[in-house]
Amino acid sequence: GAGVSQTPSNKVTEKGKYVELRCDPISGHTALYWYRQSLGQGPEFLIYFQGTGAADDSGLPNDRFFAVRPEGSVSTLKIQRTERGDSAVYLCASRRDRGRPGANVLTFGAGSRLTVL
Amino acid sequence: QKEVEQNSGPLSVPEGAIASLNCTYSDRGSQSFFWYRQYSGKSPELIMSIYSNGDKEDGRFTAQLNKASQYVSLLIRDSQPSDSATYLCAVARRIGGFKTIFGAGTRLFVKA
Repeated sequence: GAGVSQTPSNKVTEKGKYVELRCDPISGHTALYWYRQSLGQGPEFLIYFQGTGAADDSGLPNDRFFAVRPEGSVSTLKIQRTERGDSAVYLCASRRDRGRPGANVLTFGAGSRLTVL
Repeated sequence: QKEVEQNSGPLSVPEGAIASLNCTYSDRGSQSFFWYRQYSGKSPELIMSIYSNGDKEDGRFTAQLNKASQYVSLLIRDSQPSDSATYLCAVARRIGGFKTIFGAGTRLFVKA
């Protein structure tokens, strides 16, 4: 697609429920990033994929968070047993291959706002 | 110590003035440095990238990098009310992005 697409744009769930957030990156972008942003804070790194594999998942806060990118395009961030502290905007970004013009630039989607009641 | 530190502000400047935004980072191995702008309720968008010590100019924006001091800054000349936003400093260890870490951002208000 022309831009990074994230769904849903808004998700309200109850504490303890399971949530999936989807990211469809720009066509041809091999790197995909997930960030979490709380009000008044900068984006907090969660994980990034190079192709199908998670190149760095050091930002995932605990084992309730998991992300996949099985075909190297669309990615899903999965949160189990949601807690109120998980409430935030989850941002996805994609980046071109190294060596191509603009390879250093992260292009962000509009985000998925998660509210855990 | 946070990996990327910024003064949260708010920084308030009159229209037409120069706005100066600063950022320090802790990882001496960092090689790529970015400034993103984020309007309220929107996603970050890239303004400038810089990789070498010195200044890089693009229109009204100038990014400055000093690797010895682990310091990055952004100057906005002739500030406009439309520049009012949060400015995020971001740092990556290697050329090509890889793990990109953001600061908390500095809120800028440009008063008409």
